[in-house]
Amino acid sequence: ILNVEQSPQSLHVQEGDSTNFTCSFPSSNFYALHWYRWETAKSPEALFVMTLNGDEKKKGRISATLNTKEGYSYLYIKGSQPEDSATYLCARYNYGQNFVFGPGTRLSVLP
Amino acid sequence: DVKVTQSSRYLVKRTGEKVFLECVQDMDHENMFWYRQDPGLGLRLIYFSYDVKMKEKGDIPEGYSVSREKKERFSLILESASTNQTSMYLCASSWSGGNTEAFFGQGTRLTVV
Repeated sequence: ILNVEQSPQSLHVQEGDSTNFTCSFPSSNFYALHWYRWETAKSPEALFVMTLNGDEKKKGRISATLNTKEGYSYLYIKGSQPEDSATYLCARYNYGQNFVFGPGTRLSVLP
Repeated sequence: DVKVTQSSRYLVKRTGEKVFLECVQDMDHENMFWYRQDPGLGLRLIYFSYDVKMKEKGDIPEGYSVSREKKERFSLILESASTNQTSMYLCASSWSGGNTEAFFGQGTRLTVV
């Protein structure tokens, strides 16, 4: 098992705060790193798929960076809103054609 | 609108029963996956398939089997359900290669009593 770690496990922020989470993963034989948002009672939905060292991607107030050499990715949320409350999952895609997920970071944004 | 559909949202089964969880995708994806999600443990891979009739064990295959007779359908079978298989089960599909996103079903909350 190639472990994918995420921190923090949970996070409570006030509306308007900016926040960030970390995903760390084995750097050897890297293929791709995915971020997903999983809202309660819904299916996980993809935020970003990143493959190249130094990749930076942005979708609205959410952005992500990737460092494949040291094995980490950051997810940033600028100006958090209550609708950002969800569990954020990262997953490393392995050579064997499967995804290894981290345990997730549960974000609660308080109005 | 792309879809991954799981046959049941909630299931309650008795210990020892044989349980079938069905998953269908309409995107012609090669890869299909079954995960279970338990509090504090994230998504753990049970089995995956990269082609019809092909299957690979994931991290926690014990007590489960799978079937993929058609490209669009991937079934998870609990041969003899036990209480420690009470969990949320998620099906997903994707293109091969990992550089495009996976799509998930809505999940099946299975309770074994």
